[in-house]
Parts: sequence; C-alpha cells; structure tokens
Amino acid sequence: DAGVIQSPRHEVTEMGQEVTLRCKPISGHDYLFWYRQTMMRGLELLIYFNNNVPIDDSGMPEDRFSAKMPNASFSTLKIQPSEPRDSAVYFCASSYRPDTQYFGPGTRLTVL
Amino acid sequence: DAKTTQPPSMDCAEGRAANLPCNHSTISGNEYVYWYRQIHSQGPQYIIHGLKNNETNEMASLIITEDRKSSTLILPHATLRDTAVYYCIVSDGGSQGNLIFGKGTKLSVKP
Repeated sequence: DAGVIQSPRHEVTEMGQEVTLRCKPISGHDYLFWYRQTMMRGLELLIYFNNNVPIDDSGMPEDRFSAKMPNASFSTLKIQPSEPRDSAVYFCASSYRPDTQYFGPGTRLTVL
Repeated sequence: DAKTTQPPSMDCAEGRAANLPCNHSTISGNEYVYWYRQIHSQGPQYIIHGLKNNETNEMASLIITEDRKSSTLILPHATLRDTAVYYCIVSDGGSQGNLIFGKGTKLSVKP
C-alpha cells in the first residue's frame, strides 16, 4: 500500500497567488482529514470528510480556504489568495475510523 | 484545549525502555487514550490506543491506571529511530473525528 499521497511536497509562492494542495487517501478509507502545523499553533484540524461529504469545517481559518473531495480517491485544499501567515506544513490523513488516522508526508507551503 | 498533560521532553538511552507519562485527570468514561508520534519532517503516526485495559502491539505497550486518570506509553527497547514527539490524546473515538494534538513529549534516544 502506498499510503496517503500528497502533492506537491514543497510549494513556494508569492502573496496573493492561488495555492492548491492535493491528497490521495488510502484506498478503502472513508474518512479524510486536512491539518495544518506551525510552530506557534501546533497541529490543527482544518476540515474532515466522511464518504466524500464535508462533516466539520470549523477549523478552516477563513473564506480564503476551501476544500473539496470530488471522489473517494482525491481531495484538494485551496487557498486563494494566499498570505504569508498561511506558511505552514499541511497534512492530509485518511482512515476507516476517525480515531486511528494515517497521515501523509505533508506539503510545506511558503508564502513570500 | 488539550485534555492531557505531558512532560515537554525526555531522554532515553538506546536499548533501554522508554516510559512516557500522560495525565488525563478529566477523562470521561467513554473516552479512549490514544498515542501518536511524529518523527521529524514526517506526518504523525498512530501507535496504540486503549480504554481501560492495558494494550500491547508490535510498536509499544500502553498502561492505563485503574482510575484512568493517567497512562504510560512504553517502548520496550528504544532505538535512535524512536526519537520523535509523542502525543497523548483523549477522545471518544466517535464520529467527531477531532483528535486534539497538544505539544507532546519530545523523546530523544541517545546512543
């Protein structure tokens, strides 16, 4: 099993640009989670899906952030427009039950 | 806010057992104790979880006190690759899906 796949692994962009992060969950997992990790705030849950349906997006910081899961094997997290304070490592995780999650390697985002 | 308290850092000699404590004095009857770890520059990794009985798997053992107010994660023979931040999390494991990761314990395994 390839595990959770995230792309790109590193992204450097300029303030105001649109950023799209991608995630391929483990096949058969019904849950998909997006997290953000910074030194200041630690690991924070942004949004999670169950069977492709967003269940809880209360962690999404503001309207500039959006997430979609068009099918069971793909999800995106989009930031438009990006700001320097969005710089962080973004993790995607998937699971067949919500408490034992399998994390991807993360995308390190730098917004200049 | 995280429902757990962990020491910020610990050291362990390679080959020795690493015992990582966690206090969760406000744990509810239906809440489980979960342990994850995060090796530098990687995503967190699930280790083990339990409700009230002690649990063991190929990675570690989890000892939960009888009153369930604290627990200990045991890595029986720590290796350098076990150097990581270890997170103790309390959750009901239900459909909430919200695992709250606190600051964890930075375990350094030294040769």
